[in-house]
Amino acid sequence: AQSVAQPEDQVNVAEGNPLTVKCTYSVSGNPYLFWYVQYPNRGLQFLLKYITGDNLVKGSYGFEAEFNKSQTSFHLKKPSALVSDSALYFCAVRDQNDYGQNFVFGPGTRLSVLP
Amino acid sequence: DAGVIQSPRHEVTEMGQEVTLRCKPISGHNSLFWYRQTMMRGLELLIYFNNNVPIDDSGMPEDRFSAKMPNASFSTLKIQPSEPRDSAVYFCASSPGTNEQFFGPGTRLTVL
Repeated sequence: AQSVAQPEDQVNVAEGNPLTVKCTYSVSGNPYLFWYVQYPNRGLQFLLKYITGDNLVKGSYGFEAEFNKSQTSFHLKKPSALVSDSALYFCAVRDQNDYGQNFVFGPGTRLSVLP
Repeated sequence: DAGVIQSPRHEVTEMGQEVTLRCKPISGHNSLFWYRQTMMRGLELLIYFNNNVPIDDSGMPEDRFSAKMPNASFSTLKIQPSEPRDSAVYFCASSPGTNEQFFGPGTRLTVL
């Protein structure tokens, strides 16, 4: 069965500094990996995904994530944080061998960007 | 496209009452998901449908919960009878089969 860990409940970063939100996963086969963002009182919004190919994936709002198979990680990054990036971030995984669509979401990491 | 539409946005009810949450997926999407989000348990998948057929309902907590998808443009999640521990935000999401899911704004349910 697949699982996702987000080791940090909270990440604080100063505006203009680079940010990293960590994610590690476990699947029996090859993974599909996703990042979503949730703003207060809103649903989750898709940011980016890794399916295959280049390990560095670029997504919305200047975010990117790097797939590292050996470390089973998919950390979310942004070179320069904005106050408006403050939100709850979820990593999700799906096993490519699972022909259903059973996504597993991590517990979420709250990002606070301080002005 | 209006995105995934959920109604009502807020529901306050008393314990024992029936609650029905509604979802209209994005047109053309063939998969639909119901999630529940709480502070304690995070985001939990309750059930998902593919081409209107329930595929996995193992996340449905109890027999008090039921979900239907009578056609490609409408789904309901019903709780009968409701209990205070059902209080949560319930999200509906749809997917065109390309892996990413598109979430609705959620229904905030409070059971007194």
